[in-house]
Amino acid sequence: GENVEQHPSTLSVQEGDSAVIKCTYSDSASNYFPWYKQELGKRPQLIIDIRSNVGEKKDQRIAVTLNKTAKHFSLHITETQPEDSAVYFCAASTGNAGNMLTFGGGTRLMVKP
Amino acid sequence: DVKVTQSSRYLVKRTGEKVFLECVQDMDHENMFWYRQDPGLGLRLIYFSYDVKMKEKGDIPEGYSVSREKKERFSLILESASTNQTSMYLCASSWKGGTQYFGPGTRLLVL
Repeated sequence: GENVEQHPSTLSVQEGDSAVIKCTYSDSASNYFPWYKQELGKRPQLIIDIRSNVGEKKDQRIAVTLNKTAKHFSLHITETQPEDSAVYFCAASTGNAGNMLTFGGGTRLMVKP
Repeated sequence: DVKVTQSSRYLVKRTGEKVFLECVQDMDHENMFWYRQDPGLGLRLIYFSYDVKMKEKGDIPEGYSVSREKKERFSLILESASTNQTSMYLCASSWKGGTQYFGPGTRLLVL
């Protein structure tokens, strides 16, 4: 089955700096890659996603890039703010079988004011 | 606005007890999922259901069963709770091929 690895497990940045989180996946049939943000004590919420027919997608300060050849995708957050502090999860899916997602282990991002 | 609710936020049970966790969604989603979340391991899929009375095993189904008698409701059952099932349990739902929306989670402690 699919295996998703996520790095780093923790990331600390100064407010205003950029943050990058990287994920690799194993199943070349995967074609849907969402990113979820989970604030402390809250449920995971989708922040951005990308499908395999697109190489990059941007939404204000966040962007996701996908390299299908290398089987990796990354989340980029620019001009980080304290409210960006959370755990971020990447995931991959083939889009089949009810869009089952395989999640990475998570990255705890801390933005220091 | 999508609403996914779970029956309890916190639950304390004893080893060997039968435990029921319930999830309800109000968006007429076909798919429903149960995950457990443990530090460093991300979210791991226990079971999912793509229709009423239909279920598929996820990555870690051992020790768990599920029930989906109505479209809006998906139950996770721990037949005989064990201490290694202490975890955060998250339910999610989605349309076919759509975004998964999560419930608030149930933190289960098995003593």
